[in-house]
Amino acid sequence: NAGVTQTPKFRVLKTGQSMTLLCAQDMNHEYMYWYRQDPGMGLRLIHYSVGEGTTAKGEVPDGYNVSRLKKQNFLLGLESAAPSQTSVYFCASSPVVTKNIQYFGAGTRLSVL
Amino acid sequence: ILNVEQSPQSLHVQEGDSTNFTCSFPSSNFYALHWYRWETAKSPEALFVMTLNGDEKKKGRISATLNTKEGYSYLYIKGSQPEDSATYLCAFRSITGNQFYFGTGTSLTVIP
Repeated sequence: NAGVTQTPKFRVLKTGQSMTLLCAQDMNHEYMYWYRQDPGMGLRLIHYSVGEGTTAKGEVPDGYNVSRLKKQNFLLGLESAAPSQTSVYFCASSPVVTKNIQYFGAGTRLSVL
Repeated sequence: ILNVEQSPQSLHVQEGDSTNFTCSFPSSNFYALHWYRWETAKSPEALFVMTLNGDEKKKGRISATLNTKEGYSYLYIKGSQPEDSATYLCAFRSITGNQFYFGTGTSLTVIP
């Protein structure tokens, strides 16, 4: 049982480059989330989705876009990467029935030079 | 943005000591509070889902209580062991939204 899988695990970008982070879950969860984790800041929500074809902004959405074309996948895009987007990114999914307890992926460490 | 605070920020205890820490959240429009355990170089893992005022949950030596009227939850660890060393996060959700707000965590180090 894979759970929540994030790819890639590590990435280094130059300022202005674009990339997409992929999150895949095999638990048939309705909700999916993208967080960033920075020192001293805790987990901050970037975007989330309450179902296939729906997305919504979280606390820190600027500079990111997301798509959820299939229930099992949630993509996070950086159109023009900036050094301020250097962070560790975590994806999570949750079922509604357990009051949205979240299952996290292993994280993606992104450095923007 | 809702304010979720955890205290203390970090804690060092001796093996065998019992300890507790606090999560404070808005006392209105409560939906759920979660506790997660986050070991270094791993992902957060769920400990407890707390939904009703007065809830008490227990898993082994770890337990949690919930007071939604005053907006706080306590996490207790009895007889701390080195393997309990981790960051403990709480996350709060209001009935007026779909997102959870995480505290910055309490980092626990248990010294053998």
